[in-house]
Amino acid sequence: DVKVTQSSRYLVKRTGEKVFLECVQDMDHENMFWYRQDPGLGLRLIYFSYDVKMKEKGDIPEGYSVSREKKERFSLILESASTNQTSMYLCASTHGTGFYEQYFGPGTRLTVT
Amino acid sequence: GIQVEQSPPDLILQEGANSTLRCNFSDSVNNLQWFHQNPWGQLINLFYIPSGTKQNGRLSATTVATERYSLLYISSSQTTDSGVYFCAVRNYGGSQGNLIFGKGTKLSVKP
Repeated sequence: DVKVTQSSRYLVKRTGEKVFLECVQDMDHENMFWYRQDPGLGLRLIYFSYDVKMKEKGDIPEGYSVSREKKERFSLILESASTNQTSMYLCASTHGTGFYEQYFGPGTRLTVT
Repeated sequence: GIQVEQSPPDLILQEGANSTLRCNFSDSVNNLQWFHQNPWGQLINLFYIPSGTKQNGRLSATTVATERYSLLYISSSQTTDSGVYFCAVRNYGGSQGNLIFGKGTKLSVKP
């Protein structure tokens, strides 16, 4: 079974803090993604990576950065957390170029106060 | 970009009833998945079905790619089926490899 894990299920941070969300997959997938999910707006892509050290902006990259130093791990970084980044963050991974099934982690509910 | 519409937005069923959820998409796709989001927020993979028909227990799905729709059937529903069901697609030519999600169908199964 494919397993995608995320470092925290729930996280509470203060405005201005630097926040790290980590995602690890165990299926040797090339592609990894970070989405955020908000009521009324659905799931939106923040960043994705198709190889180690490679990254591409998604639809809403502002205020975020990412790091992929190892194939199995993809980190999302909030350089200076703001209240409008309170959201559910979902990591996903898949093989290849999109013709394969995509698998999601359990999600991290981040609250920024 | 590609549009994904799901219907109905909300559905309330009595335990044991059957239901059909629909997903329409506006362009050709090379990937279509159905997910169930549980109350804790995790997206559970139900089907990977860019075309054809698949069955898994009480659930089955059909995608008619030429007519740009997919259907998810739930038979003999149980309270544990409650949650939000999402359809997600990736269209040909999409450069990012990510899935585009519909807004979901919120299903409530009453005992």
